[in-house]
Amino acid sequence: GQNIDQPTEMTATEGAIVQINCTYQTSGFNGLFWYQQHAGEAPTFLSYNVLDGLEEKGRFSSFLSRSKGYSYLLLKELQMKDSASYLCAVRDRDNAGNMLTFGGGTRLMVKP
Amino acid sequence: EAQVTQNPRYLITVTGKKLTVTCSQNMNHEYMSWYRQDPGLGLRQIYYSMNVEVTDKGDVPEGYKVSRKEKRNFPLILESPSPNQTSLYFCASSSGGGETQYFGPGTRLLVL
Repeated sequence: GQNIDQPTEMTATEGAIVQINCTYQTSGFNGLFWYQQHAGEAPTFLSYNVLDGLEEKGRFSSFLSRSKGYSYLLLKELQMKDSASYLCAVRDRDNAGNMLTFGGGTRLMVKP
Repeated sequence: EAQVTQNPRYLITVTGKKLTVTCSQNMNHEYMSWYRQDPGLGLRQIYYSMNVEVTDKGDVPEGYKVSRKEKRNFPLILESPSPNQTSLYFCASSSGGGETQYFGPGTRLLVL
């Protein structure tokens, strides 16, 4: 089985940097995804990590430490439109069908 | 345009009245799945399919049925809906198990 933990809510200021953490426990880790979801809309893919280290993609970066069961999503130069929920999802090779298990999501509110 | 479509987008029904939510993708993806999303519980997988005529239960399959007669379609069937199935439902597809999933726009269901 899997256990994925993320903070429920975070607040940050426009123009600042925010780090959203995700910890997981899984028997057969095989990759971690971050998705963004605006209220009432579908989740959209942000990043994917399978090896340790930092993956940078514009204003967004994602970090993974497999030994610690830990990932974070870093959002720089925050904009109002970044107000959304951020979902951490883990792929477990021991899952039949190798599908994803999602955390509860972190709701980020960006204030002026 | 590559996309996942769902219909209907909104549905109000009564307890016990059978309903079907359709899902279709035009990306020739083999993997498709259904999730429900509830406040505080995140995205939970209902059923998934690895290919035509191959389906399996996710984390919360009770009260749902699916079929995969064609590669592009993966309908979700509620034979006898109950109020605890009131939720936001997402269909998703991917090229492989655990690969980046592309989500449909969501179906908001209210069972009275």
